[in-house]
Amino acid sequence: SQELEQSPQSLIVQEGKNLTINCTSSKTLYGLYWYKQKYGEGLIFLMMLQKGGEEKSHEKITAKLDEKKQQSSLHITASQPSHAGIYLCGADYTDKIIFGKGTRLHILP
Amino acid sequence: SAVISQKPSRDICQRGTSLTIQCQVDSQVTMMFWYRQQPGQSLTLIATANQGSEATYESGFVIDKFPISRPNLTFSTLTVSNMSPEDSSIYLCSGYGTGELFFGEGSRLTVL
Repeated sequence: SQELEQSPQSLIVQEGKNLTINCTSSKTLYGLYWYKQKYGEGLIFLMMLQKGGEEKSHEKITAKLDEKKQQSSLHITASQPSHAGIYLCGADYTDKIIFGKGTRLHILP
Repeated sequence: SAVISQKPSRDICQRGTSLTIQCQVDSQVTMMFWYRQQPGQSLTLIATANQGSEATYESGFVIDKFPISRPNLTFSTLTVSNMSPEDSSIYLCSGYGTGELFFGEGSRLTVL
């Protein structure tokens, strides 16, 4: 079974709508990273969460880590075409950092 | 923040040959990792590069196929041995330090 599950795999959203991407770990995390990637390009660091219950925001993107440090969500408010891409969560288990399978986000004009 | 230089940035290789990818960090990092990203996929951890000792490999990856060295805190190499077309991928080096994870630009390998 997978240590890290990311959902949904794909998301199609009308421009202006809100959306949420989830990342669930089978064991407690030391930290959780969120990255974005445009097709054929490098990784863009979004946020890193380390404390249970922590929440961080940058522009219209908010990420939260639950109190048990096993689940994180990434929420985009009023989505824009620039938000389109692949979102990856990375789980820090202290001895290694592994990534979820990613969420492909498409924004419809 | 750390800057990671990775080379080569891309290469086209013949089946059966080996290629070594180098990764240089401009500052000391606690841990270094090697990932593979196949087209349209997420990052898959190959191994954790340990300074001065054998790397720790993830399931499905073996030292004979992907030998890794890390002679000091800022440098690591990954060799892809006896390559086949299935090894065509982007290989990424990353460094972890003080809660931050940094990535190199990646090495895009095409095996013919």
